[in-house]
Formats: sequence, C-alpha cells, structure tokens
Amino acid sequence: NAGVTQTPKFQVLKTGQSMTLQCAQDMNHEYMSWYRQDPGMGLRLIHYSVGAGITDQGEVPNGYNVSRSTTEDFPLRLLSAAPSQTSVYFCASSYSTRVYTGELFFGEGSRLTVL
Amino acid sequence: KQEVTQIPAALSVPEGENLVLNCSFTDSAIYNLQWFRQDPGKGLTSLLLIQSSQREQTSGRLNASLDKSSGRSTLYIAASQPGDSATYLCAVIQTGANNLFFGTGTRLTVIP
Repeated sequence: NAGVTQTPKFQVLKTGQSMTLQCAQDMNHEYMSWYRQDPGMGLRLIHYSVGAGITDQGEVPNGYNVSRSTTEDFPLRLLSAAPSQTSVYFCASSYSTRVYTGELFFGEGSRLTVL
Repeated sequence: KQEVTQIPAALSVPEGENLVLNCSFTDSAIYNLQWFRQDPGKGLTSLLLIQSSQREQTSGRLNASLDKSSGRSTLYIAASQPGDSATYLCAVIQTGANNLFFGTGTRLTVIP
C-alpha cells in the first residue's frame, strides 16, 4: 500500500540550480498534480495531468516543468531555482480524470530550500 | 478568483469538548467541497467530501455541512481527543475547473 510516494523529502539548492522532484503512485490513478504550500497562502496548484502524455498548467506554473510519460510517474522540474521557490511541494493523485468527481490522495511532501 | 477563508487560524480546546471549524468561500459555483487533515510534516488526508447537491456528510465523530448559497461549510468534531490535534484544511472545486482552491487551515490543539 505505497500510495503516493515523493522523493526527496528534503532538498537544499543554490539559486540557479536545477532539480527534479519525483512523484510515483501505484493506484493506477489517471489524475496527478503538484501543489506548493506556503505559510499564510494555503496550497496552490502548479501543474496537473489527466493521463499519460497530457499535462496542463495550474495557478502558479512559472519556473516549473512537468511531463507524464507513464501513468505512474509525474516528475516536477525546477529549471533554474529561485529563493521564491522555497516551499513544501505536494504531489496528489485521483482515480478520476476530473478531480471534482473523486478524492485526492496526497504524498507526504518534499521540503525545498533555495539559498 | 475563488477565495477560501478559514477562521480561526488556531484553536485550543480541552479534551472531550465538541467543536466547530469554519470555512467560507467567495464563489458559490462549486462542484464539491473537501475537508482534509494535515499532521505536522505530513501530507494531507481526506476526511470528508461533500458534493454540491448534498448538505452534509458524516464519518464517525466528524460531520461536515455545506451551504452553497451562503458560501459556508462547517466541520463539527464531537468529543474531541488529543489525537485530533492537527491542521484542518478545506478545499473547494469550481464548476468546470479541474483543481482545488484551498483555505489556509485551522490548527487545532486538543489539550488532555
């Protein structure tokens, strides 16, 4: 019962570095998404995918890139890290391609600090 | 743009007390509303999902209500326990959208 697995759990980057946050789910969910959580601002959607080969932007997509080559994996790439990207990142998935018809299942988060 | 507000930001109650957490949203054109629990350093766990056509949902000691016309939802926790200590977040899904709008949460502490 792995559910949604995120790696790494913690990461420190320097400004300008790039990295990839990994997300994998073993529930055969079609919908996968990335949120960031910042103090006082709640969770905000970065990108989402409704199936392999299909991605779309959320509320705060700038500075991030995603791809969905398989149903199981949905990596989030930071192209050139900035201090404003210091945050906790959550991956979430749902069995439904329309998020409003099913519950979201969340990973435990990846805490990123950009110096 | 949908705005979701949760007041208070923090709440402390003695064990055994019944309590109500509040969630308000500015745009009533929602498809559903979901309540989550978040423990420190952990992800979110879904507690209750209320479809827009429903007025309430119950799970054990938890009861969530939804009033779309007034833009409000409440989460009622009966007979609170120290294990209920966590941050509780509500999130709404706009009709026609495919993402959730989250509130900033209420941090609940239940004192033994």
